[in-house]
This record gives sequence, C-alpha cells and structure tokens, in this order.
Amino acid sequence: DTAVSQTPKYLVTQMGNDKSIKCEQNLGHDTMYWYKQDSKKFLKIMFSYNNKELIINETVPNRFSPKSPDKAHLNLHINSLELGDSAVYFCASSQGAGRTSDTQYFGPGTRLTVL
Amino acid sequence: DQQVKQNSPSLSVQEGRISILNCDYTNSMFDYFLWYKKYPAEGPTFLISISSIKDKNEDGRFTVFLNKSAKHLSLHIVPSQPGDSAVYFCAATPNFGNEKLTFGTGTRLTIIP
Repeated sequence: DTAVSQTPKYLVTQMGNDKSIKCEQNLGHDTMYWYKQDSKKFLKIMFSYNNKELIINETVPNRFSPKSPDKAHLNLHINSLELGDSAVYFCASSQGAGRTSDTQYFGPGTRLTVL
Repeated sequence: DQQVKQNSPSLSVQEGRISILNCDYTNSMFDYFLWYKKYPAEGPTFLISISSIKDKNEDGRFTVFLNKSAKHLSLHIVPSQPGDSAVYFCAATPNFGNEKLTFGTGTRLTIIP
C-alpha cells in the first residue's frame, strides 16, 4: 500500500493551460505539504495544511491554489501555466500539527513539463 | 539565498568503506537538522535527525554529527553498501512552531562494489 500517492506521475502541457495534481495519504496524518524541486535541485516548501487549514503559505504566485477537501487529500491547482513552472512537485504528510520533529513522508513526485 | 549548502554534488565510495556527506548552514536560528535519502523516481525518505542539544546521533550504520559553532553537520555511513547509492539531502529548521524545512541541493552518493 502506497502511503503518500500522487497523480499523475508525469504531466506535459502547453503554456497557459490550467492543470491539477492530486495527492492522497493513507497514514492518518493531520498535516500535508506541497514542495517544488526546480531544475537546480532546490526542494522548497510551497504550502502546508493541517486538518484542512492552511498553516504555511510561502511566497508563490497566486496562480497556485492548494485545496484540501479532507485531511487525507491535498490537491494543487495551477492556472495559466508558465515555462518556469516546470519542475518536480512533491507532496508530503506528517502526523500532528506540522511540528518540525514530525517526520515528513513524501510521495513519489509529479514531473511537470510546460512547453 | 541558500541557507543550507551541500557543496559536493557527488561522491563515490568503495563498498565497505565509510561515506561522509557534509552540510553547512548559515541561519543561526536553525537548531533541528535532518537527512533525507532519495532514490530515482521516488520521493525523499527520512533517514536520521539531530537536535542542537546534541552533537551526535546514531542509528545503526548511520551517524549524524553536528558542530554548531562551525554551522556544519555531517552524515557518516559505515560500512557503505550498494543499496546506499542515492541522493542525500540535508534539511534544517528552527525547532519551534510550524516551521518549514529548508533543504540543501543534495549529494549523489555512489557506492562502488
């Protein structure tokens, strides 16, 4: 059983399109995250949610909108895709209220390519 | 502004020898540090962590050392095994509240049989 799953694994799309990436965790965790790993391999947090409430919101364009329908799911919707959005996006989850000592479990990543 | 730096993008070590991966940080507010391991096409997996109240933490073949005055930590793997070949990420955070992890860019470790 996959603990943290993401769909799709690969996403190739044209500039200007709107796309969504889905994330689900079956660990019973309360906190979920989205990270972006760019071409220089920097892995940076974008958002985190605890029990469906936003707790970390890094400075990302408002074209990125996370949505958490329940605490097991955190989806990422991206409007008007740009070339610079090409990256690998990782979802993660942790138990508790996102304390730094909570181990974060990562999904396999979604490689987004914007043409 | 790269607050966590892994200056060696790659490292090759003979099987059975010790692998030493290094990490430097600049933010003096960081006091909780983690190492993650990543295989191709998979997400990072947690390996070991250390709080600033310690200078060493050991878990089996993996030991993390922290030198707070030098703002430096290292991960030692001994003995190195072929399955240890992966990318290793160092991460750091202030140890309070819901603080985000700041990651380094990773070191690709290759264990040579």
